[in-house]
Amino acid sequence: EAQVTQNPRYLITVTGKKLTVTCSQNMNHEYMSWYRQDPGLGLRQIYYSMNVEVTDKGDVPEGYKVSRKEKRNFPLILESPSPNQTSLYFCASSLIAAGGRETQYFGPGTRLLVL
Amino acid sequence: GNSVTQMEGPVTLSEEAFLTINCTYTATGYPSLFWYVQYPGEGLQLLLKATKADDKGSNKGFEATYRKETTSFHLEKGSVQVSDSAVYFCAPFLWGREETSGSRLTFGEGTQLTVNP
Repeated sequence: EAQVTQNPRYLITVTGKKLTVTCSQNMNHEYMSWYRQDPGLGLRQIYYSMNVEVTDKGDVPEGYKVSRKEKRNFPLILESPSPNQTSLYFCASSLIAAGGRETQYFGPGTRLLVL
Repeated sequence: GNSVTQMEGPVTLSEEAFLTINCTYTATGYPSLFWYVQYPGEGLQLLLKATKADDKGSNKGFEATYRKETTSFHLEKGSVQVSDSAVYFCAPFLWGREETSGSRLTFGEGTQLTVNP
């Protein structure tokens, strides 16, 4: 089954304790992206990747890191989480096509609480 | 700059009512346009899309037409069901400074729809 998986689905942590949220897709997509969803703000892009070893900042990259060492995986790293990073996080992937016509496929989400 | 404005929610309707959720955007050029839906406790999934002017996207009884004159992509459904209760996101694919840098889906704030029996 074609899918995007994220782990963990739920996480409670404390300020400053490094954490990684994994994202994996089995559709051989070049493009992968991380979003955070907050009430009243919609989805905002954190980082994205056009292919292996190619990453770029989105709208709200501060406090986050990513890596793309393999095509299927795109982990999100919070080196020193803070309470303002409490949010619902989504990973997404898609093929790349001119004009941005390709559908993005979303993971189920990771709900993070930073105390 | 590039932006998307989506009708504020929440919207509450009775079953079989007509639904319209407005979406307008500002952008250079003619972006591809998407509506995504988020059911409770789930990730987003594509509802419909249109990739050029005057195209109509449709799925599950929902429709939206790409109107370049008004830069709009309003979502409509003639008769909603309880199972349509979800959050709906308008998402144009907006270009950055270069084709491969900064180009992305830009999401509206989302419109919560509740359909009562």
